[in-house]
Amino acid sequence: GQQVMQIPQYQHVQEGEDFTTYCNSSTTLSNIQWYKQRPGGHPVFLIQLVKSGEVKKQKRLTFQFGEAKKNSSLHITATQTTDVGTYFCAVSYNTDKLIFGTGTRLQVFP
Amino acid sequence: DAGVIQSPRHEVTEMGQEVTLRCKPISGHDYLFWYRQTMMRGLELLIYFNNNVPIDDSGMPEDRFSAKMPNASFSTLKIQPSEPRDSAVYFCASSLSSTTYEQYFGPGTRLTVT
Repeated sequence: GQQVMQIPQYQHVQEGEDFTTYCNSSTTLSNIQWYKQRPGGHPVFLIQLVKSGEVKKQKRLTFQFGEAKKNSSLHITATQTTDVGTYFCAVSYNTDKLIFGTGTRLQVFP
Repeated sequence: DAGVIQSPRHEVTEMGQEVTLRCKPISGHDYLFWYRQTMMRGLELLIYFNNNVPIDDSGMPEDRFSAKMPNASFSTLKIQPSEPRDSAVYFCASSLSSTTYEQYFGPGTRLTVT
């Protein structure tokens, strides 16, 4: 089956440092969504990317979809303690269901 | 809207017992998804419904698991008999449409089977 890998698995940063997580697929994607899950919470939708090479920004968060539509990245500028959580990509291969990536757990030290 | 509602929030049961998890999706959403989350396996899709009809149950672990959606506002996930390896957080999510739209997750049910 399709593999959706996210790297890194864990990331510890000092508050104010930047953070990036990558989502990689072996197969061309239809679209990709990003979710954030706070410790003890549930996944919350952040954004969806559909077009090749698409870049979207939400305040300090920048999302990018690769030109070949096989990978994506989420970059956080100047992390804050409120950014703590696990970030998941969720991909679609022209079906109705999403396949969630392995997730990247972000810890921010003040 | 209250969002996706799940009950119970926590369930502790003994091996061999039947467990029923409940979900009320957001009104008007056509799709309902059941996920299981564990440290080892991450977030796995178990089954999803479109307009109350099960579309894909390929993620259901085995015959001990069953899911129903008798109407647009209610779904159940049943495990009978339960086993310790079923311990996990079970999420229900709903979506206005398929993967084109975002999924709204409920708070989850933390199941512990001893």
